[in-house]
Amino acid sequence: ELKVEQNPLFLSMQEGKNYTIYCNYSTTSDRLYWYRQDPGKSLESLFVLLSNGAVKQEGRLMASLDTKARLSTLHITAAVHDLSATYFCAVGDYSNYQLIWGAGTKLIIKP
Amino acid sequence: SQTIHQWPATLVQPVGSPLSLECTVEGTSNPNLYWYRQAAGRGLQLLFYSVGIGQISSEVPQNLSASRPQDRQFILSSKKLLLSDSGFYLCAWRGQNTGELFFGEGSRLTVL
Repeated sequence: ELKVEQNPLFLSMQEGKNYTIYCNYSTTSDRLYWYRQDPGKSLESLFVLLSNGAVKQEGRLMASLDTKARLSTLHITAAVHDLSATYFCAVGDYSNYQLIWGAGTKLIIKP
Repeated sequence: SQTIHQWPATLVQPVGSPLSLECTVEGTSNPNLYWYRQAAGRGLQLLFYSVGIGQISSEVPQNLSASRPQDRQFILSSKKLLLSDSGFYLCAWRGQNTGELFFGEGSRLTVL
């Protein structure tokens, strides 16, 4: 059974700092997704990582995938308040057309 | 381009009343469609998914049901709502190339 673990589940940080959210998964997959959810809103796709070593960057966010370690990271550089949200990772389990989701990381960035 | 719409956006229903949430996708054909529920402050729970018209797979036994009467229409229903059915319901379709899910705006249900 494919399981996905995110950590930390909650992160409070100051503006201008760097931090990393980790996403570990339990079985082989080469497709990993990062989503953002603002309070009361739906999920927005951030990154799609489709191969080992894939790295994607958008603004202050950078995501990477290591399929051998079964690990993805979402790195935040010089955080700003607007990045406050809950971030979810999800792993493709295409034996049954599903994505397996992490529990989410609630990120609060204080001015 | 593809779009996905859900309605209603918000509803408040008494316990024991029926429910119907509708989701439609435009700009793509034969998409895989999904219904998720998210309780307040929690993660995503997959309720149903569909790979084609009339084909529904249920992930969680409960008093909800889903139907797909048309290729791009996905409906979530209940005959009698429970308090525990309260939550944020999200419909999504799956991109064929990347497997990425694209979500609708969501329907927030409060059962009183």
